[in-house]
Amino acid sequence: GAVVSQHPSRVICKSGTSVKIECRSLDFQATTMFWYRQFPKQSLMLMATSNEGSKATYEQGVEKDKFLINHASLTLSTLTVTSAHPEDSSFYICSARVRDPNIGRETQYFGPGTRLLVL
Amino acid sequence: DAKTTQPNSMESNEEEPVHLPCNHSTISGTDYIHWYRQLPSQGPEYVIHGLTSNVNNRMASLAIAEDRKSSTLILHRATLRDAAVYYCILKPTGSARQLTFGSGTQLTVLP
Repeated sequence: GAVVSQHPSRVICKSGTSVKIECRSLDFQATTMFWYRQFPKQSLMLMATSNEGSKATYEQGVEKDKFLINHASLTLSTLTVTSAHPEDSSFYICSARVRDPNIGRETQYFGPGTRLLVL
Repeated sequence: DAKTTQPNSMESNEEEPVHLPCNHSTISGTDYIHWYRQLPSQGPEYVIHGLTSNVNNRMASLAIAEDRKSSTLILHRATLRDAAVYYCILKPTGSARQLTFGSGTQLTVLP
C-alpha cells in the first residue's frame, strides 16, 4: 500500500518552544491530509483537515493559532505546535487520502506517528 | 455518522483463530465497513473493508451479516504480532469525510 512518513518520530522539547512535525506521502499525491492526536489509552481524535494550497479546517476545540498547519504541496503537510506546554504532550498522527485510479475510490493511509513530550 | 460498538478487549491464544465482532445497527445502505488496526506506538494500518459480501485478503477475512447490522473480523491464525487495537469504522460511499475512530477492541494474543 501507499506509504506516509512522519518526521521526527519522537521529540522532546521545553515548555514554550515550538515544534514542527512533517508529514509526507512518499509515492502518491494526496488530495487531502488529516492530523490526528492520540492521548495514552485513548482513541485517535481528528484535529484538522488540510487541502493543498488552502487553509486547514480545524475541529471544534482545536486552537488554530496554536496548531499551525501548512499544506504547501500534494506530498507535504506540516503541523507546528506553537508555544508547546506539557498538556500538548501526545502522539500526533497524520493521514493522507488518495484517489485509487483502479477502483475510483479514495483511500486513507496513516503515518507512523510522532510522539511529542513537552517538559 | 453511524456508530459502531465493539468489545473493549479480547484475548486469544497464539495460532488460534480470532473473531472480532462489531455492531453497527444504524448502518445505512451506502456505508462501507472498514477495519483498521493500531499496533503499539504506531499509526493505524488498513486491514480490510467491505460493503455487503464477505471479503478475504492476506491479512484477514470480513464476515458481514445479511442485514449488515453487524460484522466480524476474522484473523485465521493469531500471532503475537497481531496484538493491537482493532477499529471498526463506517464510511459512506464516496464520502469526502475522514475516518472517525471509536474506542476499538484491544486484542491480546497469549503465547
